[in-house]
Amino acid sequence: SQKIEQNSEALNIQEGKTATLTCNYTNYSPAYLQWYRQDPGRGPVFLLLIRENEKEKRKERLKVTFDTTLKQSLFHITASQPADSATYLCALGGEAGNMLTFGGGTRLMVKP
Amino acid sequence: DTAVSQTPKYLVTQMGNDKSIKCEQNLGHDTMYWYKQDSKKFLKIMFSYNNKELIINETVPNRFSPKSPDKAHLNLHINSLELGDSAVYFCASSRQRGGTGELFFGEGSRLTVL
Repeated sequence: SQKIEQNSEALNIQEGKTATLTCNYTNYSPAYLQWYRQDPGRGPVFLLLIRENEKEKRKERLKVTFDTTLKQSLFHITASQPADSATYLCALGGEAGNMLTFGGGTRLMVKP
Repeated sequence: DTAVSQTPKYLVTQMGNDKSIKCEQNLGHDTMYWYKQDSKKFLKIMFSYNNKELIINETVPNRFSPKSPDKAHLNLHINSLELGDSAVYFCASSRQRGGTGELFFGEGSRLTVL
């Protein structure tokens, strides 16, 4: 069966460190992958898109990698700040119907 | 101006009642969606409309009926509410069907069925 797995346990890190979040998938062949941020009581907000033929994408302090062999995406936040504390969702797209399928998200807590 | 707005934000009701959630987007997008987020935070697609036409209808009980009067609006009507319908319902839109377009989400409507 198809699965998208993100660490359901919260990730706690110290301010200034790099946060690394993982998105693993099985029985999918996505053409692209997106990352979203969700704050409590709010809707998800788009952060980054990476296509299957791209290894890495950067945007300011954010970096995403996409390894179609390992079936994994890593999401990095460098020089993390308490304001980065939120839940981060990965979403796979490009399969039949072209609808986005979301993982369960990982909660990141950055402590000052 | 809010890009994707949905009302109400909170809805508390009894089992067996019928309720509606409204959604409007002012982004000029062609495609709109309803997602359900359960207590474990999984976002699941329910419906997708493109220019007022239904294009995706996932395995959702037929108690749920979407209606799109025009491409800027997608409402969700739920009949005979059950306890398991309690969740946060998100409306979203994207520029067009297909492609790699990002989704723009509303703030969510938290439905609690007692």
